[in-house]
Amino acid sequence: NAGVTQTPKFRILKIGQSMTLQCTQDMNHNYMYWYRQDPGMGLKLIYYSVGAGITDKGEVPNGYNVSRSTTEDFPLRLELAAPSQTSVYFCASSRGSTGGSYNEQFFGPGTRLTVL
Amino acid sequence: AQSVAQPEDQVNVAEGNPLTVKCTYSVSGNPYLFWYVQYPNRGLQFLLKYITGDNLVKGSYGFEAEFNKSQTSFHLKKPSALVSDSALYFCAVTAGNNRKLIWGLGTSLAVNP
Repeated sequence: NAGVTQTPKFRILKIGQSMTLQCTQDMNHNYMYWYRQDPGMGLKLIYYSVGAGITDKGEVPNGYNVSRSTTEDFPLRLELAAPSQTSVYFCASSRGSTGGSYNEQFFGPGTRLTVL
Repeated sequence: AQSVAQPEDQVNVAEGNPLTVKCTYSVSGNPYLFWYVQYPNRGLQFLLKYITGDNLVKGSYGFEAEFNKSQTSFHLKKPSALVSDSALYFCAVTAGNNRKLIWGLGTSLAVNP
């Protein structure tokens, strides 16, 4: 079991460029999440998905897009990168539960993104 | 609105001493509470959770946490700290049918040899 994998590990973008952060999990989890982590700010939820074909916005969705065509993959798309998107991005997954999120989340190793 | 607070940005403790990392929460309904640990340049790892039942929850690496409903707290504890416990610790909460966790800002634990 590889768990949750993310690529790339590091990336530098120029302002206005676009990129896709990849996330794959091999645990057959229904729920998947994208977070960003800024120093001293904890984790902020960008988007989440409760199953293939279903996505929803989190706290900070502006400037990002997601898709969930399969159970395993949950890519995050950055369009028109801005310096404010400089952050560490984490993907996570968890088993779905009927009503609520009481199953623990498994995290990937993160992608460190710098926008210059 | 749901919220979680970790009142200490940093906790320092000597190796071998007991440690406590504090967490308080505010939710409507019965809470689901979690602790995660993040080592430098790594993703978060699950430590333990409280869903229902016994108020004292035991988790990975010798950590435990006590759910206190009257004080709306879920403090993380360990009887004897190790230098290798030095990391960033996050408390998180959700409740009811909410599919999202609310995260604390994290507490940096430094265990000094």
